[in-house]
Amino acid sequence: NAGVMQNPRHLVRRRGQEARLRCSPMKGHSHVYWYRQLPEEGLKFMVYLQKENIIDESGMPKERFSAEFPKEGPSILRIQQVVRGDSAAYFCASSPGGAGGATGYGYTFGSGTRLTVV
Amino acid sequence: GENVEQHPSTLSVQEGDSAVIKCTYSDSASNYFPWYKQELGKGPQLIIDIRSNVGEKKDQRIAVTLNKTAKHFSLHITETQPEDSAVYFCAASKGASYDKVIFGPGTSLSVIP
Repeated sequence: NAGVMQNPRHLVRRRGQEARLRCSPMKGHSHVYWYRQLPEEGLKFMVYLQKENIIDESGMPKERFSAEFPKEGPSILRIQQVVRGDSAAYFCASSPGGAGGATGYGYTFGSGTRLTVV
Repeated sequence: GENVEQHPSTLSVQEGDSAVIKCTYSDSASNYFPWYKQELGKGPQLIIDIRSNVGEKKDQRIAVTLNKTAKHFSLHITETQPEDSAVYFCAASKGASYDKVIFGPGTSLSVIP
């Protein structure tokens, strides 16, 4: 049973290019979350998606960033016109249900995509 | 929104000693508190979690305590081993079913052999 799969592991982009990060959740998990981690910092929430729905995008910058989780295929985090400040590790997590409530679930994280903007 | 604070930011202990990491949260509606361990170059891994209807939970050398009145929760690692060296994150989630987890800033634990 494969875990959360993220690819690529490392991505180098020049300023102004687009970055596409992919995440395939664990089998049976329909909730996907994206977090950003700057060097020596914590995990900052970006966006929470279910299949074909964005549940919460309160942590995602309004410009240049978008996310989707289509009916078929992986979740995609897209960063347009990347800048040096976008360099970070981007982690995807999945769960079988939401994290809140009396029956909230813990996350399973992928190994992350390390984005470097040069 | 929810805010989670964590102390200390770095912690060094001798092998065999105990390590304690403390967290506070701001939203009294939070009711799920997971802890994650992140080793260098890897994604965070869930190691233990506790819900608000429980004051303490133990799993071998790891224990978590929760004080809902004070909005404090702590991770205790006993008989530390070098492989416990990692960054540890506490986190909190609110009561809504469709909610995400908010993380603390992390504690870098070093266990000295």
